[in-house]
Amino acid sequence: RKEVEQDPGPFNVPEGATVAFNCTYSNSASQSFFWYRQDCRKEPKLLMSVYSSGNEDGRFTAQLNRASQYISLLIRDSKLSDSATYLCVVTLFSGNTPLVFGKGTRLSVIA
Amino acid sequence: DTGVSQNPRHKITKRGQNVTFRCDPISEHNRLYWYRQTLGQGPEFLTYFQNEAQLEKSRLLSDRFSAERPKGSFSTLEIQRTEQGDSAMYLCASSSSTGGTSGRGWTGELFFGEGSRLTVL
Repeated sequence: RKEVEQDPGPFNVPEGATVAFNCTYSNSASQSFFWYRQDCRKEPKLLMSVYSSGNEDGRFTAQLNRASQYISLLIRDSKLSDSATYLCVVTLFSGNTPLVFGKGTRLSVIA
Repeated sequence: DTGVSQNPRHKITKRGQNVTFRCDPISEHNRLYWYRQTLGQGPEFLTYFQNEAQLEKSRLLSDRFSAERPKGSFSTLEIQRTEQGDSAMYLCASSSSTGGTSGRGWTGELFFGEGSRLTVL
């Protein structure tokens, strides 16, 4: 089983739509969780951290379900500029350790 | 520019040759990471350093791959006897293990360079 699994998409949605991405992780020892964004031909950049209590940053909401080892990202009121690949990321081991990335979910927001 | 710097940006080589990539991290970052990314995949973790110590190297793809960070600043990734399957983007990232001077603790934020693209003919 891969360490982080995501639906690769692509998700093609109209502007203004709400879209949700999910991922699962295999290592129950992983303690920290993130979503990164990668634009075409660019390097990945941190979008937001994911906490068990859920967290929101503007139009973006991330949630973690430790029991199911499941992470989600919800984007409301999609903008053209949201078009990118969204990478689900977890720590390799417990604590402050290297990050492993999923293969990413590609989002295209269409006018 | 004070971001992560990688060079060369592009390298074309023939199968069997050795190649070396260099990464200069953000100066105040004590951690440095190497990842490999192929088309349609997320970054694949290879190895990382905290200062000059290589803390995890079991993910290096084969014994043809090696990395060094001799003085705890820049790092090199060497691939010996390259194969066509080594063609990929090699990404370097740096971070602070403690959150640096921000006082926020470890944020999980890796700062990536623009990568070194390797093509093996």
